[in-house]
Amino acid sequence: SQELEQSPQSLIVQEGKNLTINCTSSKTLYGLYWYKQKYGEGLIFLMMLQKGGEEKSHEKITAKLDEKKQQSSLHITASQPSHAGIYLCGADDSNYQLIWGAGTKLIIKP
Amino acid sequence: DTAVSQTPKYLVTQMGNDKSIKCEQNLGHDTMYWYKQDSKKFLKIMFSYNNKELIINETVPNRFSPKSPDKAHLNLHINSLELGDSAVYFCASSQRTGVTNEKLFFGSGTQLSVL
Repeated sequence: SQELEQSPQSLIVQEGKNLTINCTSSKTLYGLYWYKQKYGEGLIFLMMLQKGGEEKSHEKITAKLDEKKQQSSLHITASQPSHAGIYLCGADDSNYQLIWGAGTKLIIKP
Repeated sequence: DTAVSQTPKYLVTQMGNDKSIKCEQNLGHDTMYWYKQDSKKFLKIMFSYNNKELIINETVPNRFSPKSPDKAHLNLHINSLELGDSAVYFCASSQRTGVTNEKLFFGSGTQLSVL
């Protein structure tokens, strides 16, 4: 079965620094999603990537999907306290169902 | 208005009790889901309903019974609660199912603690 591996599991970053979170699949991804969860809240949709080599940006967050469509990275530039939370990658498997990574906990140090 | 709302936000109960979690979406979506998030933050799908019909029923104990009175509501009833049921349960909805790249909208979660 298809699995998604996220790394790192947790990350502590000084405010203002850049960071990258990775999501790797054992098989080709049909659609890759990045969500953010803040403590006590639901998941907030960030971005969706579909095509190999695709890159999307929103404010200071950039997500990329590699050409082989098996790895995605989420990059945050000049991190802020509002970026803190848990970042989850999700992907469609061959049965059109969402599978999830285990999440990356991001802490921003002031 | 909240797009996907679930209640209660917190639920603390004793082992053996029966409890329900309610979920409502006002997005006009056809499909609703229940996910369980374990202590390691991993999200796993439990059920999916499309227009009140069950379409996904993962390996979940039959103590868990979803009920969809209409396509805007998907409630989760749990019988004979066990310690291992403690988790955060998320409700979600999407426009359609069976189609790739459908964006999911999540509720804020229900933290269930079984004592």
